[in-house]
Amino acid sequence: LAKTTQPISMDSYEGQEVNITCSHNNIATNDYITWYQQFPSQGPRFIIQGYKTKVTNEVASLFIPADRKSSTLSLPRVSLSDTAVYYCLVGASGAGSYQLTFGKGTKLSVIP
Amino acid sequence: DTGVSQNPRHKITKRGQNVTFRCDPISEHNRLYWYRQTLGQGPEFLTYFQNEAQLEKSRLLSDRFSAERPKGSFSTLEIQRTEQGDSAMYLCASSLGVQGAGETQYFGPGTRLLVL
Repeated sequence: LAKTTQPISMDSYEGQEVNITCSHNNIATNDYITWYQQFPSQGPRFIIQGYKTKVTNEVASLFIPADRKSSTLSLPRVSLSDTAVYYCLVGASGAGSYQLTFGKGTKLSVIP
Repeated sequence: DTGVSQNPRHKITKRGQNVTFRCDPISEHNRLYWYRQTLGQGPEFLTYFQNEAQLEKSRLLSDRFSAERPKGSFSTLEIQRTEQGDSAMYLCASSLGVQGAGETQYFGPGTRLLVL
């Protein structure tokens, strides 16, 4: 399973765009990149998933360069409710399971 | 609400007692996972079911832990002879496994266990 590295914490003011970058140098060819958000005392919540280039949904964008050795989660115009821990994971659904390996994540604090 | 439910949400027990947690996944999901999360850490994989078959178990899952998924629907996680080190949040997730594709796991709210 590919290891990921992301900042331990980030601060941002309300209304700003936040970019969280994750490194995954040993990502495998069939690995997907997935980001989860977790609030205290809740289970992780799926945010976005991608394989290459750019993916956008109603809450975030995910930018993946051509070499796929990193990815950037972009949260537009954050609000106080976006204060949470964000996890970057890589993996693929193969013949076995899609066992998720979480790191410590990035604790995002949004300041009013 | 992801559609995955877990019961109970909180459990306090004394060391040495047995506890059982239940997870009800999203109905059409064939895969079910159990994770454990301690304070300040990300979730750690414990075990995985494909339908009713338990296909993977982590080394974290000592022989005091057992999980079942009868009929491929809900799942139970039992901890026998609980120890204080078992205190954690136990998370269940489910997914619709599609081989060769990115898979999205949907997590329940978790069961927080405190062993006194």
